[in-house]
Amino acid sequence: AQKVTQAQTEISVVEKEDVTLDCVYETRDTTYYLFWYKQPPSGELVFLIRRNSFDEQNEISGRYSWNFQKSTSSFNFTITASQVVDSAVYFCALSLYNFNKFYFGSGTKLNVKP
Amino acid sequence: KAGVTQTPRYLIKTRGQQVTLSCSPISGHRSVSWYQQTPGQGLQFLFEYFSETQRNKGNFPGRFSGRQFSNSRSEMNVSTLELGDSALYLCASSWGAGEGKTQYFGPGTRLLVL
Repeated sequence: AQKVTQAQTEISVVEKEDVTLDCVYETRDTTYYLFWYKQPPSGELVFLIRRNSFDEQNEISGRYSWNFQKSTSSFNFTITASQVVDSAVYFCALSLYNFNKFYFGSGTKLNVKP
Repeated sequence: KAGVTQTPRYLIKTRGQQVTLSCSPISGHRSVSWYQQTPGQGLQFLFEYFSETQRNKGNFPGRFSGRQFSNSRSEMNVSTLELGDSALYLCASSWGAGEGKTQYFGPGTRLLVL
């Protein structure tokens, strides 16, 4: 069975602080894909990043960076110098090779205060 | 390119009624998936359609059904509504099926059942 765990329910930081959102996944499949989405109050899930199970290279995109470690089944997301506009719920998701079905974590609500 | 569109955006129904939600995918995308989001259960997969065929179905009762048309537009129907069906229903589209295709989400339809 597949499972995604986001243990942090809610995080509050002050603007310009760095923040890391944790994601731990479970699957026995050797080929899988991991995603991060952002959900602002409007409700739409906004795609941030996709990683496949063969690519453990970490990625940086502007203020965002992702740390994928197969050894610990984790795919963590860091926002550097957070801004108020980063306030949203962030979801980690897992999909398998032959399916479009996403297994979502429960989400982490990030509050960035000015 | 226009994003995923969903209609209606808001809906209020009473118990026992039925409802039909519509989703238009991004142009060129042939796969459409539906998700239900509630505070208690989080984001749960309903079903996925590709080329008018249901490829995958989540663990929901038969009251939940869907279909996809030849232009890739999709509808989902919920019959005999229950209070617990109140949720945000999200539609997502992707270019293909499987292989970790990124899914792009619409703004959702907020359904309230009274």
